[in-house]
Amino acid sequence: DAGVTQSPTHLIKTRGQQVTLRCSPKSGHDTVSWYQQALGQGPQFIFQYYEEEERQRGNFPDRFSGHQFPNYSSELNVNALLLGDSALYLCASSSTETTGELFFGEGSRLTVL
Amino acid sequence: GQNIDQPTEMTATEGAIVQINCTYQTSGFNGLFWYQQHAGEAPTFLSYNVLDGLEEKGRFSSFLSRSKGYSYLLLKELQMKDSASYLCAVITWKGGGNKLTFGTGTQLKVEL
Repeated sequence: DAGVTQSPTHLIKTRGQQVTLRCSPKSGHDTVSWYQQALGQGPQFIFQYYEEEERQRGNFPDRFSGHQFPNYSSELNVNALLLGDSALYLCASSSTETTGELFFGEGSRLTVL
Repeated sequence: GQNIDQPTEMTATEGAIVQINCTYQTSGFNGLFWYQQHAGEAPTFLSYNVLDGLEEKGRFSSFLSRSKGYSYLLLKELQMKDSASYLCAVITWKGGGNKLTFGTGTQLKVEL
């Protein structure tokens, strides 16, 4: 049973570029959340998707957008990259059936130069 | 607002017991998670508390007091591999969705 999978694992972009990160949730999970973790900090909530809709959003600008597909997988898009967007981007999957389960993928480490 | 506090660093000896505290002040509360995170890796689920009391799982135990806004993670029989960051996170529900609010993490160093 595959856990939460994310791609790519590492990527380097330059300021102003756009990036798309991908996540496949754990089997049986229908909800995907995205978090940004800067070095030495706890993860910060970006947004959550369920039934292909954004259900909740954190304090991130509109440059951060997302999508969820019918198979529950999800994408995170960041436009007009800034140096401060360099971070580990984590995808977390959960199920509306079991509130105590929330598992993270290995993350995508983004470096903006 | 959301505020979650935990110590920045702790050091303990192999074989010993360590307690990592977490206090929270959040608008809403639907449970508290503890995660372990090794450097450069993703957080790994350790425990989830929604009711007051102690939950024991092998060498790890987690305690919650909702009235005090307080939780702790207890690690017994410490091993070198337990050196990691330990993240406390509160889950809240709003508008049909939920989110985790994390503390900054406690960096635990286990020494010989």
